[in-house]
Amino acid sequence: QSALTQPRSVSGSPGQSVTISCTGTSSDVGGYNYVSWYQQHPGKAPKLMIYDVSKRPSGVPDRFSGSKSGNTASLTISGLQAEDEADYYCCSYAASWEVFGGGTKLTVL
Amino acid sequence: EVQLVESGGGLVQPGGSLRLSCAASGFTFGSYWMHWVRQAPGKGLVWVSRINSAGSITGYADSVKGRFTISRDNAKNTLYLQMNSLRAEDTAVYYCANYYYDSSGYYYGLGYWGQGTLVTVSS
Repeated sequence: QSALTQPRSVSGSPGQSVTISCTGTSSDVGGYNYVSWYQQHPGKAPKLMIYDVSKRPSGVPDRFSGSKSGNTASLTISGLQAEDEADYYCCSYAASWEVFGGGTKLTVL
Repeated sequence: EVQLVESGGGLVQPGGSLRLSCAASGFTFGSYWMHWVRQAPGKGLVWVSRINSAGSITGYADSVKGRFTISRDNAKNTLYLQMNSLRAEDTAVYYCANYYYDSSGYYYGLGYWGQGTLVTVSS
């Protein structure tokens, strides 16, 4: 049950694209197509942005996209906007548990 | 509209116990898995526990296994987390959450979250 590995921070300018990686093992990320991504603004509850690796819940802009290759999943945010500045967490389902990544702080320059 | 409201947090001494509750409304509570997720001050999200719709299957993070017990009362639309042998490192905001769902079923992403309840373990 080790935490998934994410970069501590990423940054980009408005209009640019950024990608956040999330590395696990064959027991979690690599073993299931059940990676999800969350956005969290300070003092707020997390918000689901991506589930099942690449699907978006209703209401999430299509600027947010997800993918996976082997034991690494990725979240890409295109057309960066100021309101995208937040913490982002990946999460993977595993057979008997679920595990989050350590979180990535996105700064919009 | 899905609503999850946690309660029961507070200050407790190391070694003490606390029971958290999560009152659910706006969806068929008894049909969905439920989870507890915590976040220590200034730190990241950590999955704590989950329970299936019937209450017969549970899972725990290694850090709480043997000390925490998740349960539910579907008649009262309420989720619980009994926390025993509390440690300073259990200090966190505790969120209840459930899988995102639509008319086709549920999916392995936590789509609905409460506002959280703060647990502080300190002498």
